[in-house]
This record gives sequence, C-alpha cells and structure tokens, in this order.
Amino acid sequence: GAVVSQHPSWVICKSGTSVKIECRSLDFQATTMFWYRQFPKQSLMLMATSNEGSKATYEQGVEKDKFLINHASLTLSTLTVTSAHPEDSSFYICSARDGGRLEAFFGQGTRLTVV
Amino acid sequence: QQPVQSPQAVILREGEDAVINCSSSKALYSVHWYRQKHGEAPVFLMILLKGGEQKGHEKISASFNEKKQQSSLYLTASQLSYSGTYFCGTERGGNTPLVFGKGTRLSVIA
Repeated sequence: GAVVSQHPSWVICKSGTSVKIECRSLDFQATTMFWYRQFPKQSLMLMATSNEGSKATYEQGVEKDKFLINHASLTLSTLTVTSAHPEDSSFYICSARDGGRLEAFFGQGTRLTVV
Repeated sequence: QQPVQSPQAVILREGEDAVINCSSSKALYSVHWYRQKHGEAPVFLMILLKGGEQKGHEKISASFNEKKQQSSLYLTASQLSYSGTYFCGTERGGNTPLVFGKGTRLSVIA
C-alpha cells in the first residue's frame, strides 16, 4: 500500500519555540494532504487541508498564523507550530491519498510535548 | 459534521462478536473504518462506497446503508489483537478530508 512517512515521531520543546513536522508521501504524489490533531482519548480533529502550490485551507478555530503549513512539492507537506505553548501538546498526524486510490493513508504521527 | 459512533466502549472475551455503528446526519459519499492502537497512527481497515455495499476481510466486515446514512462494522470471533479504538471517517465528496467520529474503544480479554 501507499506509504506516508512523518518525522519526527516525537519532540519535546520549550514554550515559545517553534517546531516543524514533516509529512512525506514515499511512493506516490499527493496534491493534497490533511493535518489532524488528536488529544488523549479523543478523536482525530481535522486542522487543515494542505494543497501543493497554494495556500492551505484551515478549519474553523485553527489559527493559521500559529500552525503554518507549507506544501512545496508533491511529496512533502510541513506543519510548523510557532511559539508553542503547553496547550499545543498533542498528537499530530498527517494523511494523504494516492490519487488513483480511495483510502487515506496516515503517517506515523508526531507526539509534541511543550514544556 | 462529525459522525456519531456507538457504543463508546465495549469489552469482549476472546471469541465473542461485536458491532460498532456509525451514523451521520448528512448524505455520505463514503465511509472509512480505521483501528488505532494506543500511541500509534490509525490503520486503514476498509472503505465502503455505495449504498448497500458490504465487504469484509477475514472476520471483520462492514456494511453501508446509504439511505440511512449509517455504517456498521462487524467483528466476529474476536481476537486479542482486535483491541484498540475504532474510528469511522466519513466524507461527502471524493478526495475531501475525512471527518472522524469520537471512536469506539474495544477491549478484548482472554
């Protein structure tokens, strides 16, 4: 099946710093990728849709200036959490679809802890 | 609009069966089912596209009633490895983001 790789798997950062998370489609091109956030014991909540070569589309309530998304190529989307605070600590997961297939594949997820 | 899953949690003994339901108040294009183990990313189980479609793999199967905007996931003769949280994801059009239900936590005990 299609492979989506996310890096890093976990990160601990100090409050006020920025963290970048990468999401790569390894064996297919993805014009669209999706970023989700999951708090403990809760569902995956869609944050934004990342579009290659254009601006991301953010869900209501998600601060676009805080969660910067860049989709510079057909195989890479990045999510940067700027000026991170402890309340940003969460599990961040990206997802992408291989154009010719219907199922969405997920990256391994990144556990962010802001101290 | 987030789909509604039921039950929220279920505990089974090995070999028992379970049904997890997913319903939406909006018309659906497809329903996707995933299983997530603690600390890991969701793993794709299956996707259902057409009204009335049913499919399965080994002892896990699912159905999709397009008219009722409902899908059910059936786990038969459960195994310890079935433990995890099951999410249904719905979409209203092709290549649109999936919206996930709150999940059903399934625990299979020996």
